[in-house]
Amino acid sequence: AQKVTQAQTEISVVEKEDVTLDCVYETRDTTYYLFWYKQPPSGELVFLIRRNSFDEQNEISGRYSWNFQKSTSSFNFTITASQVVDSAVYFCALSEDSNYQLIWGAGTKLIIKP
Amino acid sequence: TAGITQAPTSQILAAGRSMTLRCTQDMRHNAMYWYRQDLGLGLRLIHYSNTAGTTGKGEVPDGYSVSRANTDDFPLTLASAVPSQTSVYFCASSDSGLRTEAFFGQGTRLTVV
Repeated sequence: AQKVTQAQTEISVVEKEDVTLDCVYETRDTTYYLFWYKQPPSGELVFLIRRNSFDEQNEISGRYSWNFQKSTSSFNFTITASQVVDSAVYFCALSEDSNYQLIWGAGTKLIIKP
Repeated sequence: TAGITQAPTSQILAAGRSMTLRCTQDMRHNAMYWYRQDLGLGLRLIHYSNTAGTTGKGEVPDGYSVSRANTDDFPLTLASAVPSQTSVYFCASSDSGLRTEAFFGQGTRLTVV
């Protein structure tokens, strides 16, 4: 069965530290899509990135980077030089080509202290 | 651009009453979804619609109904609210199902008392 695990419930770091949020997924499909969303304290859900299962290239967007490794079924998210504005709950999610829904991890609450 | 608009933003509802949460998108996306978010449980799918005129049940559909009369609107109805339906409700839409990212409304905070 499909599943997304975000083992870190809460992470707290001091500003400017690097931080990695872990995401491990389970799926039987060969074609699937992985997502990261950010939910700041204001409550809206903001899309960050999408990866399909055939594209294992790592991606960098400014201070954000994502490491997709099919061998370990992981799609980890790293924030470099964290800032207070990065404080939010971050969700990893999975969709399969054969399925109609996003499977969500429970989320990781990231606290960046000034 | 408006994207997805949900109304109301918050509501307190007496148990046993009915209520419709509204959701409108202006992106002409085929697929729309309703999720509820509860603390510690992440987001759970209530109902979905892959295209206008069709709907389907998600993970937690009991006590909720939806309709999709046109592409833009996807209302969620609680026929007889119960306190366990206290939650934050998010409407979302996506193009080409979930091969592409879903865009979310700002959420509706519902309290059933």
